Amino acid sequence: GQQVMQIPQYQHVQEGEDFTTYCNSSTTLSNIQWYKQRPGGHPVFLIQLVKSGEVKKQKRLTFQFGEAKKNSSLHITATQTTDVGTYFCAGPNTGGFKTIFGAGTRLFVKA
Amino acid sequence: DVKVTQSSRYLVKRTGEKVFLECVQDMDHENMFWYRQDPGLGLRLIYFSYDVKMKEKGDIPEGYSVSREKKERFSLILESASTNQTSMYLCASSFNGGVGELFFGEGSRLTVL
Repeated sequence: GQQVMQIPQYQHVQEGEDFTTYCNSSTTLSNIQWYKQRPGGHPVFLIQLVKSGEVKKQKRLTFQFGEAKKNSSLHITATQTTDVGTYFCAGPNTGGFKTIFGAGTRLFVKA
Repeated sequence: DVKVTQSSRYLVKRTGEKVFLECVQDMDHENMFWYRQDPGLGLRLIYFSYDVKMKEKGDIPEGYSVSREKKERFSLILESASTNQTSMYLCASSFNGGVGELFFGEGSRLTVL
C-alpha cells in the first residue's frame, strides 16, 4: 500500500546547529503537510505545500516539495530549544479521503 | 478558536473490558479520524468518517469499531480490550478530507492491563 517514509528517526543537535528531516512517498502526492508535536502534546499543523518544486519559509523553518511531488524536506536553521519535538510529514492517499503520516523525526536540542 | 475535545486524557482498563473513547469537534467539519500513535510507528489510521453515520476502515481497524451518530461526535470503541491496544489515541477532524489541515485533540492514553 501507499507509504510515507521519513528519516532520520532521531536527531540530536547542539543549539544553534541546523537540522533537516526528509520525507519520501511511494506515490505522487497532491500535497504534503508538516506537523509538529511537542513532548506530551498533540500534532499541530505547520504548513501545506501543493506545487511541484515549491519552497516556503516560516522564520527559521524552510519547507520544500520535490519536483516529482514524491519527496519533501523540512530544514531548521540555527535550532533553538523551543524546536524540540517530533516533526511529521503527511500526505493524502490516492483517493484523497485520508491522510497518511510518516513515522516522524524526533528532534533533541542541547543547550 | 477551533477545538477538538477528547473525553479522557488517561484511562486504565483491564483485558476484555469494553472501552469507549469520545471525540467532539466544534468546527462543523465533515471529516473525522481516529489514529493511534506508537513509538517509532508514527500515526496509524484506525477509522475515519466523512459524514454522519458513514465510516471507513483505515489501515489498522482490527479490534476497533466506531460510531458517528452526530456530525460533531466520533466515538472509538474497543469491544474487548487487549494489552496490544495500549497506546495513545488521537482524534482529528478536517474540513476537506485527506487534502486539508487536520486538527487534533489532546489525545487519550490508554493502558490495558
